[in-house]
Amino acid sequence: NAGVTQTPKFQVLKTGQSMTLQCAQDMNHEYMSWYRQDPGMGLRLIHYSVGAGITDQGEVPNGYNVSRSTTEDFPLRLLSAAPSQTSVYFCASSYSPPADHDQPQHFGDGTRLSIL
Amino acid sequence: QQPVQSPQAVILREGEDAVINCSSSKALYSVHWYRQKHGEAPVFLMILLKGGEQKGHDKISASFNEKKQQSSLYLTASQLSYSGTYFCGQAGGTSYGKLTFGQGTILTVHP
Repeated sequence: NAGVTQTPKFQVLKTGQSMTLQCAQDMNHEYMSWYRQDPGMGLRLIHYSVGAGITDQGEVPNGYNVSRSTTEDFPLRLLSAAPSQTSVYFCASSYSPPADHDQPQHFGDGTRLSIL
Repeated sequence: QQPVQSPQAVILREGEDAVINCSSSKALYSVHWYRQKHGEAPVFLMILLKGGEQKGHDKISASFNEKKQQSSLYLTASQLSYSGTYFCGQAGGTSYGKLTFGQGTILTVHP
């Protein structure tokens, strides 16, 4: 009963380094998304995917790339890390996109990322 | 554009009631409510679909007024376990596929 699994839980990077945050779900959910959480800013949507092979931008996509080659996995890539990307990152999934349906989002435990 | 929550913070004593409001400048098709404890992931509370819906379980309920583009979360007879940050999210319509959250309301319940 894993649900949504994020790895790593903690990471420290230097400015300019690249990194991939992993997200996997075992619930056969079509919809997956990435959020970043900063103090006082709430949860801000970075990218989302409504199914394998389909991704789109959220509110704050700059500096991040995603791909969705399988239903289970939705990795988030930082190509050249910047201190402004220091944040807590949450991955979430649901059976269908959050529109006119009452499908809850299942969140992972988060990745705490610090960029020096 | 993020929905706006008010108040930003609430401090209660056990047994008191609280209301958290969520408003949007965009047409709302569904409103989602989550609670997050410090250092943990957000946890689902409820979703309200358009149609002037009200929902509730235990002592937490919510209403959704799509004409006013507002939703309110009602916490009655608060318990210590209600402490946390509450987020409302909006989805649907031109925002299909996107669930956009407000900035959060910090609720603290004291004994």
